[in-house]
Amino acid sequence: QVQLVESGGGVVQPGRSLRLSCAASEFSFWNYAMYWVRQAPGKGLEWVAAISNDGSNTYYADSMEGRFTISRDNSRNTLYLQMNSLRVEDTAVYYCARDGNPGSAPYGMDVWGQGTTVTVSS
Amino acid sequence: DIVMTQSPLSLPVTPGEPASISCRSSQSLLHTNGYNYLNWYLQKPGQSPQLLIYLGSIRASGVPDRFSGSGSGTDFTLKISRVEAEDVGVYYCMQARQTVFTFGPGTKVDIK
Repeated sequence: QVQLVESGGGVVQPGRSLRLSCAASEFSFWNYAMYWVRQAPGKGLEWVAAISNDGSNTYYADSMEGRFTISRDNSRNTLYLQMNSLRVEDTAVYYCARDGNPGSAPYGMDVWGQGTTVTVSS
Repeated sequence: DIVMTQSPLSLPVTPGEPASISCRSSQSLLHTNGYNYLNWYLQKPGQSPQLLIYLGSIRASGVPDRFSGSGSGTDFTLKISRVEAEDVGVYYCMQARQTVFTFGPGTKVDIK
């Protein structure tokens, strides 16, 4: 069964860093673009970042550019999100998701993880 | 970035009756390949989002045929032919036409 399992969330002070991980299983991870999407408490979905299947191309939402870095290790079937200079407004559930179009032009997320919670608070 | 809007933002429904949600984009989502890069997601209470419709009108695997997507360019609609109790949750449209994807604000569907 295709599965994405996020980890690394927690409580962190403003200005500090955190790295999220997403372990993928039961599909050819190396062939899929991947995403991070977040959801602040009681709010809607916000697209955070994307990475191509080979890691050569990355894209970010404007508010995350320069502070967040998406990366992947295809040998470990793992996606990462390095978050620096965290702000209170970064508090959210962070979801890892897979693109639905392997090896071709991406068209969006078809499989989602259960999410990991990040709380930024002093 | 492309801005997505949805209406209504709240939709009380009666089981067995049809329901419809509208989604509009600030720019055309129609690609030269003929596909509209517009997806619909449902987030049920306490769950992760799930894909319902992709490329404007293609039902994702396992999605009941009471769900359908239509539209082109900047105007799209999600229709539920006969609402069931399990369809409650928040419905989001999302554009994938540009490399920076954007979601609509969501439409909360609940039972009257």
